[in-house]
Amino acid sequence: QSVVTQPPSASGTPGQRVTISCSGSYSNIGSNSVNWYQQLPGTAPKLIIHINNKRASGVPDRFSGFKSGTSASLAISGLQSEDEADYYCLAWDDSLNGWVFGGGTKLTVL
Amino acid sequence: EVQLVQSGAEVKKPGESLKISCVGSGTGYTFDNYWIGWVRQMPGKGLEWMGIIYPGDSDTRYNPSFEGQVTISADKSIKTAYLQWSSLRASDSAIYYCLRRGWELLPDSWGQGTLVTVSS
Repeated sequence: QSVVTQPPSASGTPGQRVTISCSGSYSNIGSNSVNWYQQLPGTAPKLIIHINNKRASGVPDRFSGFKSGTSASLAISGLQSEDEADYYCLAWDDSLNGWVFGGGTKLTVL
Repeated sequence: EVQLVQSGAEVKKPGESLKISCVGSGTGYTFDNYWIGWVRQMPGKGLEWMGIIYPGDSDTRYNPSFEGQVTISADKSIKTAYLQWSSLRASDSAIYYCLRRGWELLPDSWGQGTLVTVSS
């Protein structure tokens, strides 16, 4: 069971906007910045959002990140079939003295 | 550009030992000065942080879930970090990634991953 909680699944139709949440605590998201990763089947995780809300190089502006208090979220607007993937949030945890990952959210484009 | 290059896939039997590596390179990258962490991804599962090492002085921190199960080390003279097992189990079968800790305590570079398969 992850210290940081994400919904196991999310879905949307092409063109829709979907949001994936990431809920933590003061020692991780509440005190530190958050990255978001996209993982396609059989590939390494790819950075899409870093330091809470900054899009990584080459990432379309359909992707946006937010952080407030001990929670963060990833929003994908204008959903496309190629967005179907697993998404993970990550933050440093001051109590653990290491990284904590959300459990991952499988996004399905219907 | 920072690069972390990991050693190749391994197939081992239960009880065998293994050491995988992660070599850092890149213009302006002083390997000694950046923490290197290891992350496990079991088949069909999520990402788990295992531990992290500061190559400059080999200060090492472990996720309690992995302490005693693996050993993390580094050789700064050859810009290499290691993850090793003394006695592998089938449940160690996974992809292992090394990551460099950069700004804001977040990873700023990932290795390509090393697939470890443990099977009799």
